[in-house]
Amino acid sequence: KNQVEQSPQSLIILEGKNCTLQCNYTVSPFSNLRWYKQDTGRGPVSLTIMTFSENTKSNGRYTATLDADTKQSSLHITASQLSDSASYICVVTGGGNKLTFGTGTQLKVEL
Amino acid sequence: GAVVSQHPSRVICKSGTSVKIECRSLDFQATTMFWYRQFPKQSLMLMATSNEGSKATYEQGVEKDKFLINHASLTLSTLTVTSAHPEDSSFYICSAPASLGYVNEQFFGPGTRLTVL
Repeated sequence: KNQVEQSPQSLIILEGKNCTLQCNYTVSPFSNLRWYKQDTGRGPVSLTIMTFSENTKSNGRYTATLDADTKQSSLHITASQLSDSASYICVVTGGGNKLTFGTGTQLKVEL
Repeated sequence: GAVVSQHPSRVICKSGTSVKIECRSLDFQATTMFWYRQFPKQSLMLMATSNEGSKATYEQGVEKDKFLINHASLTLSTLTVTSAHPEDSSFYICSAPASLGYVNEQFFGPGTRLTVL
């Protein structure tokens, strides 16, 4: 069964600190992996997308890594800001362009 | 990047009424769109795939007669929740794929919050 698991489920950090979110998947075949940011009451917004051959992808203060061998990905947020408070969702595209969503990590950045 | 809009953003209705939600791709054409439902603190759950000019494909457990989907044009898909009940209260999100170079990106709408009284 195709699954995407994320950890931690929730996280609270102080403004300015870094954090790393984890994503493990069992989706096969694998097409690509995306990280989305979803603000409360809004639709998800794409942060990064990585295909099988890509190990890392950056978008500003967001850096995603992918290890296709161990089927793991991480999203690193540098110098967090209050506006980073949101749910971060890992989504894996498998065969037939079918998306499998992770349950998300709820991040809260505090002063 | 491509933009997907949804209308309305919020709707409150009485039990038993029908509600229509629109999903539009604003600057690109989408022969396929996807409809999701999201309950509080849960991830998005795919409900159905909307196909332009043909019938929608529904995920297992989703009633096609309750959630009517119409994809009348290359830029518009509608989801109608018929005879809505309080348990249908949820956040409904659509998405549409668009090619960005060598990858197909999924662009999500801002969502529609449905509250059934």
